Amino acid sequence: AIQMTQSPSSLSASVGDRVTITCRASQDIRNDLAWYQQKPGRAPKLLIYVASSLLGGVPSRFSGSGSGTDFSLTISSLQPEDFATYYCLQDHNYPYTFGQGTKLEI
Amino acid sequence: VHLVESGGGLVQPGYSLRLSCAASGFSVSNNYMRWFRLAPGKGLEWVSVIYSGGSTYYADSVKGRFTISRDNSKNTVYLQMNSLRAEDTAVYYCAKNRGDDWGQGTLVTVSS
Repeated sequence: AIQMTQSPSSLSASVGDRVTITCRASQDIRNDLAWYQQKPGRAPKLLIYVASSLLGGVPSRFSGSGSGTDFSLTISSLQPEDFATYYCLQDHNYPYTFGQGTKLEI
Repeated sequence: VHLVESGGGLVQPGYSLRLSCAASGFSVSNNYMRWFRLAPGKGLEWVSVIYSGGSTYYADSVKGRFTISRDNSKNTVYLQMNSLRAEDTAVYYCAKNRGDDWGQGTLVTVSS
């Protein structure tokens, strides 16, 4: 199975900060990568698919980039509602695999 | 679009449980449907997928124990979980296609 290494595992930031989360795949996954946001007690929310496409309705402060093995999620100006856990998911090969998650805290 | 999971509960190790994901607003037969889970204190895990053509795939951790299926007449997707283990304890979510829409989740607890 493809291993997804996500970093950092946790991140402390403030409202208005710019933050970047990275994911590295153990092999080339082209652009078959999605980013999800998870808040406690809520279903995950898809933010970005095929590495850089923003899902409709997701604020433009979220952006994704990368291809091959290295990917990143950037939040340009943190808002209070952005404090959550973020996961990358490779959907290139089965079994699909997630990164370990990044907990974004105030 | 609305997805509602049900069927979770407390079950002893080695026993079985069947989860349901009832869909409305679209046809499960024309879309691919996925199951994910979130275990306490752990990260998200993809569990299974069923495509419109009927192809299915599973995570290594559940292969041979879990089976995904659907009933087009009920517009519902199922996850049959056999030989349950403590490590299967999690909130299980179903999702439509790439993850545009999710259910609210159903909690499965495997414990003696």
